[in-house]
Amino acid sequence: DQQVKQNSPSLSVQEGRISILNCDYTNSMFDYFLWYKKYPAEGPTFLISISSIKDKNEDGRFTVFLNKSAKHLSLHIVPSQPGDSAVYFCAAINDYKLSFGAGTTVTVRA
Amino acid sequence: ETGVTQTPRHLVMGMTNKKSLKCEQHLGHNAMYWYKQSAKKPLELMFVYSLEERVENNSVPSRFSPECPNSSHLFLHLHTLQPEDSALYLCASSVGQGRYEQYFGPGTRLTVT
Repeated sequence: DQQVKQNSPSLSVQEGRISILNCDYTNSMFDYFLWYKKYPAEGPTFLISISSIKDKNEDGRFTVFLNKSAKHLSLHIVPSQPGDSAVYFCAAINDYKLSFGAGTTVTVRA
Repeated sequence: ETGVTQTPRHLVMGMTNKKSLKCEQHLGHNAMYWYKQSAKKPLELMFVYSLEERVENNSVPSRFSPECPNSSHLFLHLHTLQPEDSALYLCASSVGQGRYEQYFGPGTRLTVT
């Protein structure tokens, strides 16, 4: 049973515009959420995280929003750059167990 | 470069072979993990070690045998694998167990013939 879901397998966005990636989860015990980015032939790279006691965390061009009541989080990338083209994974932690979504492939068009 | 290295990067083995995957972290972390990523599926946690003690075996078949000789090294010993075990195997480490970011190696692409 998949506890972290990314319902959009792909996203195409024009360079300079905002990319919005969405993630839903079912386990209310998750208390820490992360986004990872993955290029082909590389392992996932940590991008940004948010604790369940917060609703927003920002780091440069990346902002993560958490809506606990809806069990939903999103990642905003603005402005999108060609180097942002990658697979983005949403992940959530309960205790020490990290559960991943299936990923969203982002393509930034010039 | 995340500070976590894995060797080999690619491995092809027959079902009767025995091989080992190696992971090394240079981050001074105390927890290490093995994950499996099959095609079109999310990453699946296999094993967790904290301070060299195994704290999780996520219902993994015994043909996969982990070993953590010290906090910097993690091995995954493989024997009598099945073709469905072909996948990308990722190692990760974190400062400790719990609410910490995990840093991943590049993975080993395993093909079982």
